Amino acid sequence: QLHLQESGPGLVKPSETLSLTCTVSGGSISSTSHYWGWIRQPPGKGLEWIGSIYYSGNTYYNLSLKSRVTISVDTSKNQFSLKLSSVTAADTAVYFCAKEALSGWVYYWGQGALVTVSS
Amino acid sequence: DFVMTQSPDSLAVSLGERATINCKSSQSVLYSSDNKNYLAWYQHKPGQPPKVLMSWASTRESGVPDRFSGSGSGTDFTLTISSLQPEDVAVYYCQQYYTPPRTFGQGTKVEI
Repeated sequence: QLHLQESGPGLVKPSETLSLTCTVSGGSISSTSHYWGWIRQPPGKGLEWIGSIYYSGNTYYNLSLKSRVTISVDTSKNQFSLKLSSVTAADTAVYFCAKEALSGWVYYWGQGALVTVSS
Repeated sequence: DFVMTQSPDSLAVSLGERATINCKSSQSVLYSSDNKNYLAWYQHKPGQPPKVLMSWASTRESGVPDRFSGSGSGTDFTLTISSLQPEDVAVYYCQQYYTPPRTFGQGTKVEI
């Protein structure tokens, strides 16, 4: 049974870097048939795709966040990570990690982690 | 970026009645080389992660009840719940995966 679990600080100060890790269990992150992605949902708002990574390290990013976003993968730990720099209150959101089909739709989501940006 | 616009923003439907959600893309998501529409539908209930209902605009995912159906092509798509059940109360999103960024619609809240 596949399970994705987000972990990381729930509170980040403005201008600092948000860091989250997604641990994959019940499946291999080195699958050649999937991407691994991050999606967020600000309070009371809709879903925003942040970016995706292939096990080899190939990435796609949302251009609106590209200058601040880094997604990386650690196949030895079966994890992938998100770093978002220079955060503001607008980055407060529930952050979901996800497993994506190669074509791009999301067929499995983690439970989500609330990250609040506040001093 | 592709802009996905859903309508309505919310709707109230009686139990057993039909619910129809529309999704319009600013550009076609129909890929000519494989004749597939790169569009998915998701259901999102409070406190839970979203769940995929449809991929390729009309392919129902395993375990999704057949009262859910998807239709449309190119830029205009519809998700239909043929007979609304209490467990269908949720926010529904469409998403294009034709090209990154894989944009979502703003969501449609379905209530009873």
